[in-house]
Amino acid sequence: GIQVEQSPPDLILQEGANSTLRCNFSDSVNNLQWFHQNPWGQLINLFYIPSGTKQNGRLSATTVATERYSLLYISSSQTTDSGVYFCAVLSTDSWGKFQFGAGTQVVVTP
Amino acid sequence: DSGVTQTPKHLITATGQRVTLRCSPRSGDLSVYWYQQSLDQGLQFLIQYYNGEERAKGNILERFSAQQFPDLHSELNLSSLELGDSALYFCASSPRTGGGANVLTFGAGSRLTVL
Repeated sequence: GIQVEQSPPDLILQEGANSTLRCNFSDSVNNLQWFHQNPWGQLINLFYIPSGTKQNGRLSATTVATERYSLLYISSSQTTDSGVYFCAVLSTDSWGKFQFGAGTQVVVTP
Repeated sequence: DSGVTQTPKHLITATGQRVTLRCSPRSGDLSVYWYQQSLDQGLQFLIQYYNGEERAKGNILERFSAQQFPDLHSELNLSSLELGDSALYFCASSPRTGGGANVLTFGAGSRLTVL
C-alpha cells in the first residue's frame, strides 16, 4: 500500500515563529487532506489539497503531486496551533482507504 | 460540532467483554470510516462503508466487525476485548467514496479503556 512520511516528527516553536511541515507519499494520489488534532483529541480538517496551493488565514498548503509531496505552512504561530498535524492521502487505486502519516507534534510556547 | 456524532464518548470495560460503538454521519454523507488511535500512535484505518456496503478494509482484527445500516449510521463491534484494544476510536464521514472532492469530517471519538 501507499506509504506516507511526515517530517519533522516534533517541532517546538516560540509564539510568532513560522514553520513548514512536510508530507511525502510513495504513490499517485487523487485526494490529500491536512488535519489538526488539538490537545483535546479533536480532529479538524484544515485543507483538501490534492494539488496546487491554498491559504486559510495564517495557514497555507501546497501539494506538488508530480513530485509526491505536500507542505503545510504555519505563519505567526500561536499557542492554539499546538497539537498534532496529520496528512492523509488516498491513492488512485483505492476507494476509501485514506492512509494517514504518523503526524508532526507541534508545541508553541508563549 | 462537526456534524458526525459518536457514542459513547467514554467506555470502560473488562477484558473478554464486547462493546458496540455507534456513529451517525454528517447529514448527506454516504461514506463512513472507522479509525483506531492508540496512545501516542497515529490513525490506523479499520474499515469503510459506502451507502451500506463495505468498500475498503484495513488491518481490522477478526474480533472486530462493523456494519452500516439503511439510515446510514454505522456500528463498530469489538469482542473478546484485550488490554491492547484500549484506544480512541474515530468515525469519519464523507459525501462519497473514492477520490475527487471527498472531504473527511471526523467525530469527537469514543475512548475505550479495557481493564
